[in-house]
Amino acid sequence: DIQMTQSPSSLSASVGDRVTITCQASQDISNYLNWYQQKPGKAPKLLIYDASNLETGVPSRFSGSGSGTDFTFTISSLQPEDIATYYCQQYDNLPPTFGQGTKLEIK
Amino acid sequence: EVQLVESGGGLVQPGRSLRLSCTASGFTFGDYAMSWVRQAPGKGLEWVGFIRSKAYGGTTEYAASVKGRFTISRDDSKSIAYLQMNSLKTEDTAVYYCTRDPFDCSGGSCYSKLDYWGQGTLVTVSS
Repeated sequence: DIQMTQSPSSLSASVGDRVTITCQASQDISNYLNWYQQKPGKAPKLLIYDASNLETGVPSRFSGSGSGTDFTFTISSLQPEDIATYYCQQYDNLPPTFGQGTKLEIK
Repeated sequence: EVQLVESGGGLVQPGRSLRLSCTASGFTFGDYAMSWVRQAPGKGLEWVGFIRSKAYGGTTEYAASVKGRFTISRDDSKSIAYLQMNSLKTEDTAVYYCTRDPFDCSGGSCYSKLDYWGQGTLVTVSS
C-alpha cells in the first residue's frame, strides 16, 4: 500500500495567518491526490481534487499544489471556521489511502 | 440537493453480522461509484471498499482488513448501496461513512474523488 505522511500532525495558528500542510507519498502518485476537511463531529468534506483543483463551492483561500510524491495544502488567510482536521488521500493505486490527518487549531 | 443517508448501525457482538444501507437522493445514482470509509473512535479515515457503476462493470474492491468478510452491493432501482459486514471483530468498531465517487476513466486515465459524504453511522462491536 502507498503510505501517505502528513506534516505537521497538529498546528496552531492565528486568524489571518497563512497555513501550509504537506503530504508525502511513499511512491510517485502523479497528481492523484485529494484533500478533505473534517470538522469536529461532522463528516469529511472534499476541498481539493487532483492535487490542485478547487471543488465547486469551496472558498478560494484554500489551494493545493504538487505532483509526484510531494504535495502542499494552503489556507491563504486562516478563518475561525477553518478549525478542523485535514486529510490528504491518494487514489493512484488500490487501496486508496489517507494521511494520518493534521489537526488545525486557532492560537 | 445531493443527500446520502446511512442506516443500520448499532451494537453487535463479535462474530455476528450487520448490514448497513446508504440511501441516495438528488443525483442519478447509477452513474456513480459508491465507496465506504470508516473512522475508528479518535482515529483517522480508512477506506473500506467501493463498488463501481454499471458502466464500469459494477465491480467491487476492498481493503485487505475486510476482504472476505465485507461485501458491497448496490440497487440502482432504489438508489441504495449496501455494506454487508460478516464475522465482525472488535477492531471494526467505527463510524461508517457512505460516499459518492464520480469515478471516470473516459479520458484514458482514471479519476476519483469522494465528493459527497453521508453523516455516518456508528457500528460498535463488543460483547
